[in-house]
Amino acid sequence: QQQVKQSPQSLIVQKGGISIINCAYENTAFDYFPWYQQFPGKGPALLIAIRPDVSEKKEGRFTISFNKSAKQFSLHIMDSQPGDSATYFCAADGGSQGNLIFGKGTKLSVKP
Amino acid sequence: GAVVSQHPSWVICKSGTSVKIECRSLDFQATTMFWYRQFPKQSLMLMATSNEGSKATYEQGVEKDKFLINHASLTLSTLTVTSAHPEDSSFYICSALDRSRNQPQHFGDGTRLSIL
Repeated sequence: QQQVKQSPQSLIVQKGGISIINCAYENTAFDYFPWYQQFPGKGPALLIAIRPDVSEKKEGRFTISFNKSAKQFSLHIMDSQPGDSATYFCAADGGSQGNLIFGKGTKLSVKP
Repeated sequence: GAVVSQHPSWVICKSGTSVKIECRSLDFQATTMFWYRQFPKQSLMLMATSNEGSKATYEQGVEKDKFLINHASLTLSTLTVTSAHPEDSSFYICSALDRSRNQPQHFGDGTRLSIL
């Protein structure tokens, strides 16, 4: 019940295309869903996050779509750029300690 | 934005030595700090959670005598890998959280530990 399942494991997108990464969770107590971007040799950086009281959040080229009934959420990267090439992790938080449960990550490669 | 500084960024040492990694929150008070371990091409695995002034809570399977965590102040937590062995080689990442401000976790840039 504490798992966050992320897909796909890897993704190749042409420059200018849309990158879509999906995550699913089981624990309905989760109330905060961040996405992190990680470059090789660096720590994860918060990209965008959503709470379950909204179905969509957009920040620049990045959009989170959230489906509470299906317990799924996804990251859309519009107009993908080579600089977006990184590993993306979805996560969920809902414990009293503030622990994040991470998905297994998606390696995105944006081809020029 | 909130900044978490982690030091050192890379350390190589001989088997049997102890290694200390520091994690500092630079512009906010971190009531809680987390330590993660990440193997190549894998996700982050939570090792322990530490609240300022109290003992760390370790995840199942993480040896607390092997990985000593100290969170003595609101801006500093340390992870000491004691008597390190090659299997302890990994990427260690800390994150910090200020609960009072309902802000997300902010991560350090990680420490790559290589034990020869």
